[in-house]
Amino acid sequence: GQQVMQIPQYQHVQEGEDFTTYCNSSTTLSNIQWYKQRPGGHPVFLIQLVKSGEVKKQKRLTFQFGEAKKNSSLHITATQTTDVGTYFCAPLSGGYQKVTFGTGTKLQVIP
Amino acid sequence: KAGVTQTPRYLIKTRGQQVTLSCSPISGHRSVSWYQQTPGQGLQFLFEYFSETQRNKGNFPGRFSGRQFSNSRSEMNVSTLELGDSALYLCASSLDRVNSPLHFGNGTRLTVT
Repeated sequence: GQQVMQIPQYQHVQEGEDFTTYCNSSTTLSNIQWYKQRPGGHPVFLIQLVKSGEVKKQKRLTFQFGEAKKNSSLHITATQTTDVGTYFCAPLSGGYQKVTFGTGTKLQVIP
Repeated sequence: KAGVTQTPRYLIKTRGQQVTLSCSPISGHRSVSWYQQTPGQGLQFLFEYFSETQRNKGNFPGRFSGRQFSNSRSEMNVSTLELGDSALYLCASSLDRVNSPLHFGNGTRLTVT
């Protein structure tokens, strides 16, 4: 079955530093979604990537889908305290499949 | 548009009891999924319902069950509660399109003592 590794598990950064989390799958994906969960909150959809090599930007966040569609990354430029939370990737293999989530990367931003 | 509503927000039960959690999806969303979130296991998929039918199921024992009503509202039930069932239970709804984004509720925090 599909196995997803998300790294790192935890990341502490100084405010203003950059942050990157990676999601790696053992199988080829049809697309991948990213979610953010603030402390005490629920996951909130950020973006969906579909095409091989696709890059999408949302202000300071850059999302990338690998050429082989087996990995993805989320990069945050110049982190702010509002970026604190856990970032999950949710790789999808097509069709009405159950949506499974990566293990998540918990980001702490030190002011 | 109102978001996904889950009730109750908090619940304390004793081992061996059963519990029913409720979820009202966003209006127009016919797919409802349930997840269990714990610090050690992360977000684990329980099951997904569409048009009152269970379309997908995760790797949970038969003590975990669910259903969906004709108005798309969903309930999940856990029987014979165990201490390890203590978790945040999240419901998510989505449009009936392949790989539609999930919209989560605030969850029900279940504590089993």
